[in-house]
Amino acid sequence: GQQLNQSPQSMFIQEGEDVSMNCTSSSIFNTWLWYKQDPGEGPVLLIALYKAGELTSNGRLTAQFGITRKDSFLNISASIPSDVGIYFCAGLDNYGQNFVFGPGTRLSVLP
Amino acid sequence: EAGVTQSPTHLIKTRGQQATLRCSPISGHTSVYWYQQALGLGLQFLLWYDEGEERNRGNFPPRFSGRQFPNYSSELNVNALELEDSALYLCASSLSGGGGTQYFGPGTRLTVL
Repeated sequence: GQQLNQSPQSMFIQEGEDVSMNCTSSSIFNTWLWYKQDPGEGPVLLIALYKAGELTSNGRLTAQFGITRKDSFLNISASIPSDVGIYFCAGLDNYGQNFVFGPGTRLSVLP
Repeated sequence: EAGVTQSPTHLIKTRGQQATLRCSPISGHTSVYWYQQALGLGLQFLLWYDEGEERNRGNFPPRFSGRQFPNYSSELNVNALELEDSALYLCASSLSGGGGTQYFGPGTRLTVL
């Protein structure tokens, strides 16, 4: 089946630094979603991307739908302590029926 | 507008028992999805319901089952609980049948002793 890879698996950054993480696949996806999950809670939708090449911002977050439709990246600028959590990407499969989730990138922000 | 709600928040069962988890979707959403998230791991797709029908299921044994009610709320049942069923069970809902952006509930933490 279709799978998503996320990198890095985890990262430690200093408060105020910019962060970049990505999501890749060998398959084409038609929609990309980025979620953030705090410990013990459900994932919260950050950004949705629907078109190849699309670049969308949500506050300090920016995400892009890769032009090959096989990848997406998420950038966080000027990180703050509340950015800590696990960031998941999800892609809509070829049949347009199911979202496939990546394994997540765990972000830690050091004061 | 109320988000996806799940109950109970926590559930403790012993091996061999049955667990029932409940989910209410966002008003107007007809699709409900269930995921299992074991500690420190990603989301594993369990089941998808839309308009009262099971549309797809993930790679889980038949003792994981569920249903969707006419008001689009949903139940997940896990029979013959095993220790490895301990996980956070997440429910998500979306507007359209499949492919709609999914919005998640807070989850039910199931602990099997």
